[in-house]
Amino acid sequence: LAKTTQPISMDSYEGQEVNITCSHNNIATNDYITWYQQFPSQGPRFIIQGYKTKVTNEVASLFIPADRKSSTLSLPRVSLSDTAVYYCLVVPGGRRALTFGSGTRLQVQP
Amino acid sequence: DVKVTQSSRYLVKRTGEKVFLECVQDMDHENMFWYRQDPGLGLRLIYFSYDVKMKEKGDIPEGYSVSREKKERFSLILESASTNQTSMYLCASSFQQGTVFTDTQYFGPGTRLTVL
Repeated sequence: LAKTTQPISMDSYEGQEVNITCSHNNIATNDYITWYQQFPSQGPRFIIQGYKTKVTNEVASLFIPADRKSSTLSLPRVSLSDTAVYYCLVVPGGRRALTFGSGTRLQVQP
Repeated sequence: DVKVTQSSRYLVKRTGEKVFLECVQDMDHENMFWYRQDPGLGLRLIYFSYDVKMKEKGDIPEGYSVSREKKERFSLILESASTNQTSMYLCASSFQQGTVFTDTQYFGPGTRLTVL
């Protein structure tokens, strides 16, 4: 499985755009990049998944360059409720089990 | 909405006790998972099941067993609880979509187990 590296923590203020970058140098051809979010005292929840270029949904955008060796989760105009841990996962298509690292702890200040 | 429920939010047990953690999902998902989460270590997969009575070991199965007698229910069993099994236990389920994408996992709220 591809190893991922992401910042341990980040701080931001309400209303700012937050970009969390994940490195995955040994990503394989059939790997997908997936992000989960975990609020305190809750289980993780799926945010977004992509293979290449850009994916956008109502929660976030995911930018993946052509070489796919990194990806960036973009959260537009964060609020206090976006304070959470964000996990970057690189998983082969069709694989059932996921491997979570330690994630990035995002703290949004007023 | 997919709902994954776990039998307890908090549980306190003594060393040597047999502990059952129950998980139920209501979306007819084929796959169910048990993770434990510890500070600084992220989530680690203990066991998963892709069908009734089927199970596969995850990354840290030692000291645990599982049971899946019905599709909607997946149980984690600590045969003889030890203090190093004090942790947050998270259950998840997913629908097997096929071989193209990775399946979205839906997590329960977690059970914080303390073994004294």
